[in-house]
This record gives sequence, structure tokens and C-alpha cells, in this order.
Amino acid sequence: DAGVTQSPTHLIKTRGQQVTLRCSPKSGHDTVSWYQQALGQGPQFIFQYYEEEERQRGNFPDRFSGHQFPNYSSELNVNALLLGDSALYLCASSLVGQGSNGYTFGSGTRLTVV
Amino acid sequence: AQSVTQLGSHVSVSEGALVLLRCNYSSSVPPYLFWYVQYPNQGLQLLLKYTSAATLVKGINGFEAEFKKSETSFHLTKPSAHMSDAAEYFCAVSDRGNTPLVFGKGTRLSVIA
Repeated sequence: DAGVTQSPTHLIKTRGQQVTLRCSPKSGHDTVSWYQQALGQGPQFIFQYYEEEERQRGNFPDRFSGHQFPNYSSELNVNALLLGDSALYLCASSLVGQGSNGYTFGSGTRLTVV
Repeated sequence: AQSVTQLGSHVSVSEGALVLLRCNYSSSVPPYLFWYVQYPNQGLQLLLKYTSAATLVKGINGFEAEFKKSETSFHLTKPSAHMSDAAEYFCAVSDRGNTPLVFGKGTRLSVIA
């Protein structure tokens, strides 16, 4: 049974560029949440998707957007990249109703902005 | 608003010694509490969680944590540290609805041979 899969594992982008990160949830899960983990910090909630709609959002600017597809996979898009966007981006999947009680995390995508 | 405070950004113990990682939380409603471990360049692995059943929670790899409402604490312990326990540990809180996790800043555990 596959867990949460994130791609790519690493990438390097230049300031001002746009980036798309991808997440495939654990089999049977229908909800995807995204977290940003800056170096030396705990993860911070970006947003959550269920039924292809953004359901909850943390304190992140509109440069951060997302999408969920009918197969429950999700994308995180970041526009106009800043140096401060450099972080590990974690995807967590769950089943609606379980919320954070049922999270499974992926291994993350390490984004470096230069 | 919920919050988590992890006391000590870095804890160092000798192999075989007791591990104690401290976590205090703030929540206006009965919380769910979690401990996660993160090894270098990896994601988060759930160690254990408290969801209102027994206040003493046993997790993987010999770790356990005790929910103390009066102290608003959820400290993580392990009787005997192994070299393989060296990692970053995060305490997190959420309410009992479908709200996201709020993490502490983490505690890096070093184990000395």
C-alpha cells in the first residue's frame, strides 16, 4: 500500500520564477494538506483541499495556490518566488472526518530559491 | 488559538540514558496532541498521539508520553536512548475537529556514545 508520494524531491529555482509541487495521497485518502517547513522551524499549515476545493487556509499570501484533481492528487503552486520561500514542503493526506488525527506525511520537496 | 512550546531546542543524552523532551500546549478546547520524529532529509513520522483515551500513550520505538491537563503538558519520554533515536522531534496540537496541526519549533535530540 503506497504512502504519500511527493515530487520532485529537490529543486532549485530563481527569484521571481514560478514552481509547481505535486502530491499523491495515500490510497483511500481523499484530503490533502500542505505544510511549509523553513530551516530550523516546525511545519506551518498552508492550505487543505477536499473535493477539489480549498477548504482551509493558513497565513500565506495569494502567491501560494493549489489544486486538487478528481483522483485526489494535489498540486502546490508558488508564484513570484522569494528567497524566503526556500523550505521543505510537506504534503499530508487523510480521510475526511479524521482530520489531523489521521494524517500521513510524505517525505517532502526541498525547494531552494536562489 | 492553539500553540505549542517545546522547551529546549537541543537536548543531548548519553546512550542508555533517559530521554525527556518537553512540550506544553495552549488550547481553548480539549486537544489532540501528537509527537512526530523527523530524520535528516526526510518527512515526518508519527511517534504517538493522544486523542482523549488513556492519558499515558505508548508509541513506536519505545517512546511514550503522558497528557497532563492540569499542567497543559505532553512530555515525551524513553527509558533508554539508542544512537538511532538521534533526530528532530516535533510536538503538535489540533482541536477535535478538522483543523490543521500547529507544530512547535522542534527539539533536536543528540545521543552520545
